[in-house]
Amino acid sequence: DAKTTQPNSMESNEEEPVHLPCNHSTISGTDYIHWYRQLPSQGPEYVIHGLTSNVNNRMASLAIAEDRKSSTLILHRATLRDAAVYYCILRDVGSSNYKLTFGKGTLLTVNP
Amino acid sequence: DTEVTQTPKHLVMGMTNKKSLKCEQHMGHRAMYWYKQKAKKPPELMFVYSYEKLSINESVPSRFSPECPNSSLLNLHLHALQPEDSALYLCASSQDGPGRNEQFFGPGTRLTVL
Repeated sequence: DAKTTQPNSMESNEEEPVHLPCNHSTISGTDYIHWYRQLPSQGPEYVIHGLTSNVNNRMASLAIAEDRKSSTLILHRATLRDAAVYYCILRDVGSSNYKLTFGKGTLLTVNP
Repeated sequence: DTEVTQTPKHLVMGMTNKKSLKCEQHMGHRAMYWYKQKAKKPPELMFVYSYEKLSINESVPSRFSPECPNSSLLNLHLHALQPEDSALYLCASSQDGPGRNEQFFGPGTRLTVL
C-alpha cells in the first residue's frame, strides 16, 4: 500500500474551520483517498473518500491536489465532538485486496 | 440499521482460558473484518472474510481462531492467549468488493489477558 504522512497532532478552536493535511507522494492512479476518524473509546468511522475531484458530504470536505500527491480534510466548523484521531488511507480501487492500512493519524484537539 | 455490534464490551481472561468474541451486522455486508488495536496505536488488520470464506489472514498466531457461521455473524475464538494480546479488538463490515467501499466498525471488545 502507498504510504501517507500526516502531522502527529493539531489543535483547533470550537466553531473554527480545521484543515487536516495528508501527503501521499507515491499515490498510484487507481488509489482512492479515504479518511476515517476514531473518537475516544470508539471504533473508527468513515468520514469521506475521493479519487481526483474535491468531495463534500455532511461531515466534511476533501480537497485533492491537482497532482494528487496531497489532500486536505476540511471540517468547516469544528465542534468538541470532532476531537479524534484522523486517519488518511489510500486504497487501490482495482485491487482484490480488502485491506485498510491505518497509519499513525493526526490527533485533533478542539478547544472550547 | 447501520450498526455493527460487538459483545462483550470488556473481557478479562487468564492465559489458560478459552473465550470468544462476537460481532454482528444486519446491513447485508458480505465482507467482515477483525482488527487489533493496542493502546495509542492505529488498528491493525487480522482477518478478512468475504462471503463467509477466509480471504486474508495477516499471519495471526493460531491462538486466535476466526469463524464466520453466516453472513451476519463473525466470531473470534481465543485460546491460550498471552498478556501481550491485551488490546481492543475491533470488528468491521463492508459491502462486497474491494477498493472504495467504506468499512463500518463496531465499538470493540477491550480484552485483558492476565
